[in-house]
Amino acid sequence: AQSVTQLGSHVSVSEGALVLLRCNYSSSVPPYLFWYVQYPNQGLQLLLKYTTGATLVKGINGFEAEFKKSETSFHLTKPSAHMSDAAEYFCAVTLTGANNLFFGTGTRLTVIP
Amino acid sequence: SQTIHQWPATLVQPVGSPLSLECTVEGTSNPNLYWYRQAAGRGLQLLFYSVGIGQISSEVPQNLSASRPQDRQFILSSKKLLLSDSGFYLCAWSEGTWASTDTQYFGPGTRLTVL
Repeated sequence: AQSVTQLGSHVSVSEGALVLLRCNYSSSVPPYLFWYVQYPNQGLQLLLKYTTGATLVKGINGFEAEFKKSETSFHLTKPSAHMSDAAEYFCAVTLTGANNLFFGTGTRLTVIP
Repeated sequence: SQTIHQWPATLVQPVGSPLSLECTVEGTSNPNLYWYRQAAGRGLQLLFYSVGIGQISSEVPQNLSASRPQDRQFILSSKKLLLSDSGFYLCAWSEGTWASTDTQYFGPGTRLTVL
């Protein structure tokens, strides 16, 4: 069965600092991986996704993630945090032929001025 | 462009009362539709999904049911709410190609509080 683990339910960074949100997956076959962002009392918005091909995926708002099969990881990064990045971030995984996204429990990012 | 609507945005209901949450999608045809519940600190859990009118699959046994009376309308219901039904309910859609790489697009959500 597939699953996702997000390390750190809360992450705080200073404005301008590197953002690193961790996601590890468990899957017996090559997965498809997603990062979503959720602002307070809103739905989820897709940041980026990995399906096949290039392992470094660039998304919206300056975020990127790298699929590392050997580490079963798909960490989300951004070189310089902005105040507007404060939100909750969810990593999700699905498999070929599946119709269910399995979400992690989320990481709440706080940006300190 | 496609848009997804959910209502109401917030709802406070007493235990034992019925529930009806509605989700509609515009700008696409024959979408796949999903209902998720987000409980505090627990991520999102898929409750139901639908590939077409009248076709509903349930992912977890529970006090809730779903229906799809029209192509772009998805309804979440309950006859009698429990305290444990409280949470943030999200509707989502994806292209009806049934490809796992299809992105799911989420609505704004409904916050349900059962007292």
